[in-house]
Amino acid sequence: SQKIEQNSEALNIQEGKTATLTCNYTNYSPAYLQWYRQDPGRGPVFLLLIRENEKEKRKERLKVTFDTTLKQSLFHITASQPADSATYLCALGRTGGSYIPTFGRGTSLIVHP
Amino acid sequence: EPEVTQTPSHQVTQMGQEVILRCVPISNHLYFYWYRQILGQKVEFLVSFYNNEISEKSEIFDDQFSVERPDGSNFTLKIRSTKLEDSAMYFCASQLGGSGANVLTFGAGSRLTVL
Repeated sequence: SQKIEQNSEALNIQEGKTATLTCNYTNYSPAYLQWYRQDPGRGPVFLLLIRENEKEKRKERLKVTFDTTLKQSLFHITASQPADSATYLCALGRTGGSYIPTFGRGTSLIVHP
Repeated sequence: EPEVTQTPSHQVTQMGQEVILRCVPISNHLYFYWYRQILGQKVEFLVSFYNNEISEKSEIFDDQFSVERPDGSNFTLKIRSTKLEDSAMYFCASQLGGSGANVLTFGAGSRLTVL
């Protein structure tokens, strides 16, 4: 069966460090992978997109890598701040022919001052 | 910055009642979506809508659900006879165009509690 796996345990890090979140998938051939941020009681907010033919994307303090051989994406936040504390969701497009994003459960990031 | 607006923010209803959740997508967007998130669970796709018709729907979107774009601005999700398991956060999202990468802008959500 198709799965998108994100670490269910919260990631706790100190302010200023780099946070690295992982998204693994099985039985998908995604055309793209997206990362969203979700704050409690709010809707997801789009952060970054990376396509299947791209290895890495950057935006300010954010970096995403995409390894279609390992079936894995890593999401990095450098120089993390307490304001970065949130749940981060990965979403894949093209599942059984559909481009509609399918979400993982997300990983909670807590940045301690 | 343009927003997707959802109303109500919270609705409490009795099992078996009809509920309508409303969304105003971003004005120049062409694709519209409903997702839901049961407490503590992942965001799940319900239905997509384009050119005044459903373009795709999930197994969750059964005959109890319907969507409508009654005018040029609103996009509604109707649940005909609510069940306890329909309790969730319902998110509307819109997308500018069919770029193949489906970057969605989500609303803040409508929390539905079925008693």
